[in-house]
Amino acid sequence: KNEVEQSPQNLTAQEGEFITINCSYSVGISALHWLQQHPGGGIVSLFMLSSGKKKHGRLIATINIQEKHSSLHITASHPRDSAVYICAVRLPTMEYGNKLVFGAGTILRVKS
Amino acid sequence: EAGVAQSPRYKIIEKRQSVAFWCNPISGHATLYWYQQILGQGPKLLIQFQNNGVVDDSQLPKDRFSAERLKGVDSTLKIQPAKLEDSAVYLCASSFIRGTRYEQYFGPGTRLTVT
Repeated sequence: KNEVEQSPQNLTAQEGEFITINCSYSVGISALHWLQQHPGGGIVSLFMLSSGKKKHGRLIATINIQEKHSSLHITASHPRDSAVYICAVRLPTMEYGNKLVFGAGTILRVKS
Repeated sequence: EAGVAQSPRYKIIEKRQSVAFWCNPISGHATLYWYQQILGQGPKLLIQFQNNGVVDDSQLPKDRFSAERLKGVDSTLKIQPAKLEDSAVYLCASSFIRGTRYEQYFGPGTRLTVT
């Protein structure tokens, strides 16, 4: 079993829909990252969370440390949001030197 | 601030050939990472450097992969000889940590195809 599981693997939405991507993890962490990867492009960091909730524009990320679960929400989705969204957990610094463990990613396609 | 630079962006080689990738991290970032990302999967850490020392190379296939960061700045990753299963995107990243603030920045990646 992978240490970081994402769902769904693939998601197709209509423009304007509210989107949720889920991430569950099984290890102790110091933080959780949500990343975005466009086809042929590098990876961009969207959020880093260690507790609670963060919002940036139409993107909202939440984390429940007790349940080891995080969600990424996209409100009023747009075709330019089409990308792979990756959840990564950062292992505790002292033991693991800030190592990131990645989920497999969620491929999001937003149709106009 | 310039980002993480990688070259080449694309490389096609035949199996059993050798290949090298180059990475220039963000200035001042002490930690440098090489990841392998196979299509449909998340990145997998190959090696992590702190300055010019290796922090973690537990998942580096050392019989064919090698990496160095001689002066604690640029880094090269080499595969020799390449296998078909090495076809992937190789991502370089660098990071800094200041107090509670941590950021990891990724390069654009090198897409390797082994035929």
